[in-house]
Amino acid sequence: QVQLQESGPGLVKPSETLSLTCTVSSGSISSYYWSWIRQPPGKGLEWIGFMSSSGNTNHNPALRSRVTISMETSKNQFSLKVNSLTAADTAVYYCARGRFGDFSRYYYYHLDVWGKGTTVIVSS
Amino acid sequence: SYELTQPPSVSVSPGQTANITCSGDKLGDKYCSWYQQKPGQSPVLVIYHGSRRPSGIPERFSGSDSGNSATLTISGTQTMDEADYYCQAWDSSTAAGVFGGGTRLTVV
Repeated sequence: QVQLQESGPGLVKPSETLSLTCTVSSGSISSYYWSWIRQPPGKGLEWIGFMSSSGNTNHNPALRSRVTISMETSKNQFSLKVNSLTAADTAVYYCARGRFGDFSRYYYYHLDVWGKGTTVIVSS
Repeated sequence: SYELTQPPSVSVSPGQTANITCSGDKLGDKYCSWYQQKPGQSPVLVIYHGSRRPSGIPERFSGSDSGNSATLTISGTQTMDEADYYCQAWDSSTAAGVFGGGTRLTVV
């Protein structure tokens, strides 16, 4: 059973860059769409973006200019960077395995395996 | 940007049927997924492709869609089903994933 585990700093300063890594275990990072989602305290889920195993990326339009998603296949890891942090970026950050494609004329995208999440606080 | 709208809360008695709706422009032309999130836990996929259940998800969970809305139905609701539920779809116009705001299901 594939498992995902996020890692990174729990506290970052405003204006700095957040770097998180997701390690995929008991499964290959080949195929699938490796995704990031976040959840501010007491609020709903917000999709950040994904990278496919072939290197294609898509991002939330609201965050696109501040977000970078990359992958290190040899380590079975993928990463998220968010720059120019503000308090509004305080959230639980989840990594997840996504399935994406087209089926019967429509596109589908869903997240079938999630990490446990890591809390990131942006504060000086 | 594309938006999915859910009611903030739904209440149901144990053993009854809960219906949680999700609305968005031409949502019936997209595949809707549903996630269950219990306090302090990660979301769990309960419905994908609008109506398919992943292995391990109880049969009492079902999904449907029509026109501009999708519905998650929980038949014979149990107290363990009390959680937040989120719908999610892919918006081709912006090439982005979108979540609804979430619905808190209370079983009382």
